[in-house]
Amino acid sequence: GNSVTQMEGPVTLSEEAFLTINCTYTATGYPSLFWYVQYPGEGLQLLLKATKADDKGSNKGFEATYRKETTSFHLEKGSVQVSDSAVYFCALMPGTSYDKVIFGPGTSLSVIP
Amino acid sequence: EAQVTQNPRYLITVTGKKLTVTCSQNMNHEYMSWYRQDPGLGLRQIYYSMNVEVTDKGDVPEGYKVSRKEKRNFPLILESPSPNQTSLYFCASSQGIFNNEQFFGPGTRLTVL
Repeated sequence: GNSVTQMEGPVTLSEEAFLTINCTYTATGYPSLFWYVQYPGEGLQLLLKATKADDKGSNKGFEATYRKETTSFHLEKGSVQVSDSAVYFCALMPGTSYDKVIFGPGTSLSVIP
Repeated sequence: EAQVTQNPRYLITVTGKKLTVTCSQNMNHEYMSWYRQDPGLGLRQIYYSMNVEVTDKGDVPEGYKVSRKEKRNFPLILESPSPNQTSLYFCASSQGIFNNEQFFGPGTRLTVL
C-alpha cells in the first residue's frame, strides 16, 4: 500500500537559516508527490508538486526533488523567514490507479526573528 | 473566485444530536473529499467522492455519512456525534484524483460535548 513518512518536529529555526524537512514514501505505481502548507487558522494550500522521477517542484523559494531511487521528496529552503512559520504536509497521490490520498503527519515550523 | 466553502466554521454540540457540515465548490471539480485533522495524527481521509452519486470510504469512515447528489456539494453528516469526533474537519476538491492538486476549504472546528 501507499504511505508517507515525514519528520514530525516541531522545528524551530532562526530567520535566514537553512530548512530541510524530510519526507519518504512507499507507493505502488508512479505516484505524484506534493507539499502542502497550512498557515495558522487556515486550510491547506499547495506549495509545490512533482509528478515524475527527477522532477523538481519549486515555489516561494522552496524546492523539492522527486527521488525515485531513495523514495524521497525532501523540502528545502535556503533562507527561511518568519512568515514561513506554518505546518508542512508531504502528500502522495496515486498515478495510474486509484487509491486513497495519503498525507504525512505534518511538520510544524516556527521561525524566530 | 475559485474556492471551497464550508459551513459552519465552528460548532459546539452535544452527544447524539445529528449535525451536517456543508461543503461546496465552484470549480466544477469531479473529486471531493473529507478529512479530519487531529494533533499528532495529521490528516486522515473520512470519505471521498469520484463524481455525482459515487462515494467511498476513506481511512476513518465510522460514525460519518456523506452524499453527492450534485457535483458542487458534498455534505458530511454525523448522525449521532460522540466526543471522539471532536476535531478539525476539512473538505477538499480536485479535478479528478490522478496527479491533481487538491483545493481545501477553511475548515470546521467541531466540539462534541
